[in-house]
Amino acid sequence: DAGVIQSPRHEVTEMGQEVTLRCKPISGHDYLFWYRQTMMRGLELLIYFNNNVPIDDSGMPEDRFSAKMPNASFSTLKIQPSEPRDSAVYFCASSLRPPRRYEQYFGPGTRLTVT
Amino acid sequence: AQSVTQLDSHVSVSEGTPVLLRCNYSSSYSPSLFWYVQHPNKGLQLLLKYTSAATLVKGINGFEAEFKKSETSFHLTKPSAHMSDAAEYFCVVSDRKNTGFQKLVFGTGTRLLVSP
Repeated sequence: DAGVIQSPRHEVTEMGQEVTLRCKPISGHDYLFWYRQTMMRGLELLIYFNNNVPIDDSGMPEDRFSAKMPNASFSTLKIQPSEPRDSAVYFCASSLRPPRRYEQYFGPGTRLTVT
Repeated sequence: AQSVTQLDSHVSVSEGTPVLLRCNYSSSYSPSLFWYVQHPNKGLQLLLKYTSAATLVKGINGFEAEFKKSETSFHLTKPSAHMSDAAEYFCVVSDRKNTGFQKLVFGTGTRLLVSP
């Protein structure tokens, strides 16, 4: 298995631009997670999906952030408009159904820089 | 609410010497505990997990951890460090309930430095 795939690996954009991050989970995994990692705040869960349905988006910082999962093999995290404080590494992770749903497999991350 | 405290932000060891990364947890229910490792510019990888079976858990690359309920600890150890072990290590807790999904709560991380 190729593991969780994320694209792009690096993104540099100017403040105010729209940014779309993409994720392909491991085939057969029922759960998909989006995390953000910064030096100041560590690793934060933004949102997670179960069977393509968003379950908890309480970690999404503000309305500028949105996430979708149109099918079992693809998810996007969009920031519109982007701001310098959004600069971080964004990880996508996936996991199996219970009892293994707590074992999350992470992608390599997307390093976002907003200037 | 559950939480984890990683007691050391940095740990430095020499190659071939033992590794000890400390973690204390707080949980309202019977916890599931994990250690994840992150190598530079990589995603996180699961090292090992505790989910209420044996209290001594063995993981990949020679790492192991012991769940001690009386001390609310889940320290990560390895008998002999290798240069390739240099990375960031995260202790993670999740409350196990019969229903619903509990989020993973990550510690702040411990950076392991291994010198020749």
